[in-house]
Amino acid sequence: EAEVAQSPRYKITEKSQAVAFWCDPISGHATLYWYRQILGQGPELLVQFQDESVVDDSQLPKDRFSAERLKGVDSTLKIQPAELGDSAMYLCASRRTGVTETQYFGPGTRLLVL
Amino acid sequence: AQKITQTQPGMFVQEKEAVTLDCTYDTSDQSYGLFWYKQPSSGEMIFLIYQGSYDEQNATEGRYSLNFQKARKSANLVISASQLGDSAMYFCAMREGATDSWGKLQFGAGTQVVVTP
Repeated sequence: EAEVAQSPRYKITEKSQAVAFWCDPISGHATLYWYRQILGQGPELLVQFQDESVVDDSQLPKDRFSAERLKGVDSTLKIQPAELGDSAMYLCASRRTGVTETQYFGPGTRLLVL
Repeated sequence: AQKITQTQPGMFVQEKEAVTLDCTYDTSDQSYGLFWYKQPSSGEMIFLIYQGSYDEQNATEGRYSLNFQKARKSANLVISASQLGDSAMYFCAMREGATDSWGKLQFGAGTQVVVTP
């Protein structure tokens, strides 16, 4: 069964450093989402792509976060510089637009900023 | 304003018993979708069940069923015959808008379920 791939699974970094997360969606899924999940809370959308285009980044802290999906397939989320408050789980999800309602999630990247 | 409300932060349930997880939602859209996901301690969000706002019958998927009460804006998840492997965090989520909308999900705070032998 096809899955959403994410790496790394765990990342520990010091504040002010740069970090990057990678996501490879299920093949054929045109819509890709990055969510942030703070401990004890539900996920919140950071950014959403339709193919290579950003369709919603209203909740992305653009002063330090960036996201790209250059060829409309895999995606990278970057934080520079990382802050203590960025410690969270970063989840990637994908969905086959217009065919299915369901978003499928990857295993996530747990980030700890020291 | 909170779009999805899950009022039960945690629940204990005995193995083989049924458990109901509460979810209420707030939307003015006529077309929307409701989802339940399971998140074990490993962190991955696992899709369980989906209910569309125009679906007249309650959704079922194996041991999972969704008790959809549209007028009350509730979408409770029922897990029948609980198993030890059901111990996890459960999230209710909503997509507002038409089926081919961008599909952003809004999640509740979750309910922690612990199944005991």
